[in-house]
Amino acid sequence: KQEVTQIPAALSVPEGENLVLNCSFTDSAIYNLQWFRQDPGKGLTSLLLIQSSQREQTSGRLNASLDKSSGRSTLYIAASQPGDSATYLCAVNRETSGSRLTFGEGTQLTVNP
Amino acid sequence: DAGVIQSPRHEVTEMGQEVTLRCKPISGHNSLFWYRQTMMRGLELLIYFNNNVPIDDSGMPEDRFSAKMPNASFSTLKIQPSEPRDSAVYFCASSYAEKLFFGSGTQLSVL
Repeated sequence: KQEVTQIPAALSVPEGENLVLNCSFTDSAIYNLQWFRQDPGKGLTSLLLIQSSQREQTSGRLNASLDKSSGRSTLYIAASQPGDSATYLCAVNRETSGSRLTFGEGTQLTVNP
Repeated sequence: DAGVIQSPRHEVTEMGQEVTLRCKPISGHNSLFWYRQTMMRGLELLIYFNNNVPIDDSGMPEDRFSAKMPNASFSTLKIQPSEPRDSAVYFCASSYAEKLFFGSGTQLSVL
């Protein structure tokens, strides 16, 4: 059974700092990996999607990397802003089951002004 | 497009009552998912449809839960009878090009 773990569970940083969120998964047979953002009381917003054949994806100040063989992904946020405060979740898509995602528990990020 | 639309936003009901949650996916998306989120268990996939057909309902907790997708623009998740342990946020999502788009969720409280 695929398990997805995110470390740390919570992170508080001052504005402007660069930071890294970690995600690990137990079964490397994945189709793709997605990073999501969830604001309080809201649904999830897809940030980045990395196919299993890719090493990284970038969108603005966000960069996600994937090391499939070691079962790890990182989300790098450059020059953090208070508006980045949210819970960040990673999810892996199993190869054999279409669009069935397994989510991690999330990292709650607070960026202090 | 208005995104994935869920209703109601909040539902408070008493144990034993029937609850129906509704979802309108984004037009053109051919897959629809129902998730449940709790503090204890995180996000769990309940069921997903592809082209209106249920593909995987192994996440549906028990027979009290049922889901339908009568057409490409509407889906329901029904709980009958509801129990306090069903209290959670229920999300609907639709997908395009492997990306999921989530609705704002229905906060369900069963007293």
